[in-house]
Amino acid sequence: GESVGLHLPTLSVQEGDNSIINCAYSNSASDYFIWYKQESGKGPQFIIDIRSNMDKRQGQRVTVLLNKTVKHLSLQIAATQPGDSAVYFCAEAGNMLTFGGGTRLMVKP
Amino acid sequence: DTAVSQTPKYLVTQMGNDKSIKCEQNLGHDTMYWYKQDSKKFLKIMFSYNNKELIINETVPNRFSPKSPDKAHLNLHINSLELGDSAVYFCASSQDGVNQPQHFGDGTRLSIL
Repeated sequence: GESVGLHLPTLSVQEGDNSIINCAYSNSASDYFIWYKQESGKGPQFIIDIRSNMDKRQGQRVTVLLNKTVKHLSLQIAATQPGDSAVYFCAEAGNMLTFGGGTRLMVKP
Repeated sequence: DTAVSQTPKYLVTQMGNDKSIKCEQNLGHDTMYWYKQDSKKFLKIMFSYNNKELIINETVPNRFSPKSPDKAHLNLHINSLELGDSAVYFCASSQDGVNQPQHFGDGTRLSIL
C-alpha cells in the first residue's frame, strides 16, 4: 500500500460532528486559495476555493474562511462522514501554487 | 472519462536509468503542471507550462525536463535517476494559469532501487 505520512498532524472527529482544519499561509501577496482532499492512492481533489476579496465562501457541507490579517485559512466540514477521511491540503497561489503540509482527518463511526 | 491521466501508475527502476512519465488531460485546459509528493505527503510544484511559457521551480534538478507534444500532453523525462527521486509524481491541469482550480491525476509512484 501507499506509505503513510507519519508526521502529518491528525484531526480525529466523531461521525456527525463538525470538523475544522486550519492552515497558515506565508505570502501576503497571494490572492487565491484552495482546499484539496487527497484519499489514499489518489491525486488531490478540489474541494473549494476563495479569492482574497472575500473572507468566507460556502459549498455543500464545506465552508472556507480567510483571514488575511493573520494569513490564516480554515476549512469547516459540517456533519463529518466516514467518506471525509483523507488528507486535506490548503494551497496558495502566487506565481505557482504552494501547498501547505497537510492534515489527516480521521472520522470515527 | 478520466480528466487527467498518467502512465504508468507504478515505475520501479534502477539508479542511473532514464525514464519518462506520460500525462494527458481531456479537459481542454491551457496550463499543465508536474508536482512531486514525498513520503511525508509534502507536495511541491516542479513545473508549470502552457503554450507560451515554461515556469521551472528553481530547486528542480536539470535532470528533470517536461516535454509537451501538444496542449493536451505534458510528459516528464528524468535522466540519471537517483535514490532521492523516489516519490509520487502528480500531473495537473487548469483552464488558464495558477489562479484557477487545478485538476490532478492519480499519480505515478516512482521507486528507485
